[in-house]
Amino acid sequence: DQQVKQNSPSLSVQEGRISILNCDYTNSMFDYFLWYKKYPAEGPTFLISISSIKDKNEDGRFTVFLNKSAKHLSLHIVPSQPGDSAVYFCAATSQGTASKLTFGTGTRLQVTL
Amino acid sequence: ETGVTQSPTHLIKTRGQQVTLRCSSQSGHNTVSWYQQALGQGPQFIFQYYREEENGRGNFPPRFSGLQFPNYSSELNVNALELDDSALYLCASSHRDRKYEQYFGPGTRLTVT
Repeated sequence: DQQVKQNSPSLSVQEGRISILNCDYTNSMFDYFLWYKKYPAEGPTFLISISSIKDKNEDGRFTVFLNKSAKHLSLHIVPSQPGDSAVYFCAATSQGTASKLTFGTGTRLQVTL
Repeated sequence: ETGVTQSPTHLIKTRGQQVTLRCSSQSGHNTVSWYQQALGQGPQFIFQYYREEENGRGNFPPRFSGLQFPNYSSELNVNALELDDSALYLCASSHRDRKYEQYFGPGTRLTVT
């Protein structure tokens, strides 16, 4: 049972344009969400997070939007840069737990020149 | 500030053998979590340690066990290896006060033949 889903395995975007990565979840107990970026041969790197009491969080070029009623979140990268090319994982957790993160299967972003 | 380190980088074992993987937490972090990432999947939570005690466990059998040491470094032990244990094993550390923002090491690639 995949509780966190990233339905797009890959995405290609031109440099300078907006990248939008999507994530859906099914578990209503999830109340904290994170995005991680992973380069080959490296561990995932924390990017940005959002609590369920908010619907938007910004950090520089990265913005995460949360739609609780739709159980959907998205990561916007503006403007996209070639160095953003990586696999992006959405993760979710319930703040009452031992910070167990449940990950999606990832979306491979390719930013082209 | 030293990041999360893991050893070894790669390991090949035979079915039925036992393996120990090691992790050094990021400086100042007192919580360590272990994840298994199979090919094409997102990381799956194995367990977490805080103050040298197990603080949460995912859906993994008892042959997966761990330790956390007073210096917050950690070990993952897997007994009676099976072919399906072949995966990337990731260690993540976090501070108790910001436990959802987990910082990952580069992982150990385990191959069971």
